[in-house]
Amino acid sequence: DIQMTQSPSSLSASVGDRVTITCRASQGISTYLNWFQQKPGKAPKLLIYAASSLQSGVPSRFSGSGSGTDFTLTISSLQPEDFATYYCQQSFSTPQTFGQGTKVEIK
Amino acid sequence: QVQLQESGPGLVKPSETLSLTCTVSGGSIGTYYWSWIRQPPGKGLEWIGYVYYTGSTNYNPSLKSRVTISVDTSKTQFSLKLSSVAAADTAVYYCARHRAYCSGGSCYDYFDYWGQGTLVTVSS
Repeated sequence: DIQMTQSPSSLSASVGDRVTITCRASQGISTYLNWFQQKPGKAPKLLIYAASSLQSGVPSRFSGSGSGTDFTLTISSLQPEDFATYYCQQSFSTPQTFGQGTKVEIK
Repeated sequence: QVQLQESGPGLVKPSETLSLTCTVSGGSIGTYYWSWIRQPPGKGLEWIGYVYYTGSTNYNPSLKSRVTISVDTSKTQFSLKLSSVAAADTAVYYCARHRAYCSGGSCYDYFDYWGQGTLVTVSS
C-alpha cells in the first residue's frame, strides 16, 4: 500500500493567515492526489483533485500543487469557515489511501 | 443534485455481519464507480472497496476476505456486507461516488459526492 504522510498533524492559525499543509507519498504517484476538508460530524468535502484542479464551487483561496511524492495544499487567507481537518488521498493505485489528517485550529 | 444516503443497523454484535445500503438519488447509478469508506471515531479514513454499475468490484486487501459490495441498478442502490465484525470495525461508514477527470491520456479518480455517513457500533 502507498503510505500518505501529512504534516503538520495540527496547526493553529488566525483569520487572514496563509496556511500550508504538506502531504508526502511513500512512492511516486504523479498527480493522482486529492484534498478533502472535513468538519466535525460531516462527510469529507472535495477541495482539489488531480493535485491542482479546484473542484467546482470551492473558493479560489484554496490551491494545490505538487507531483511525484510531495504535495501542498495552500489556503491563501484563512477564513472562519476553514477551521476543519484536511486529508490528502492518493488514487494512483489500489487500495486508495488517505493521509492521517491535519487539524486547523483557531489561534 | 446527486444525493447519497446510507441506511442500516447502528448496532451489530461481534462475529455477526454488518449490512448497509446506499441509496442514490438525483442522478444515474450507471457509468460510475461507487465506494464505501469508513472512519473509526476520532481517526482517519479507510477505503473499503468499490462496485461498478456492471457489478464488478475491487476491495481493500486488508478487508477483502470479509467484504462483499453489490449493486442494484433497478433500485439505484449499492450495498456493503462485512462479515465476522469485531470492535475494531466500529466506525462511521460513508458511501461515495467516483468521478474521473481525464487529461493528456491519464484519468484522475476522485470522490465527488458522499453520503452523510452512518455510525455502526460493534458491541454485544
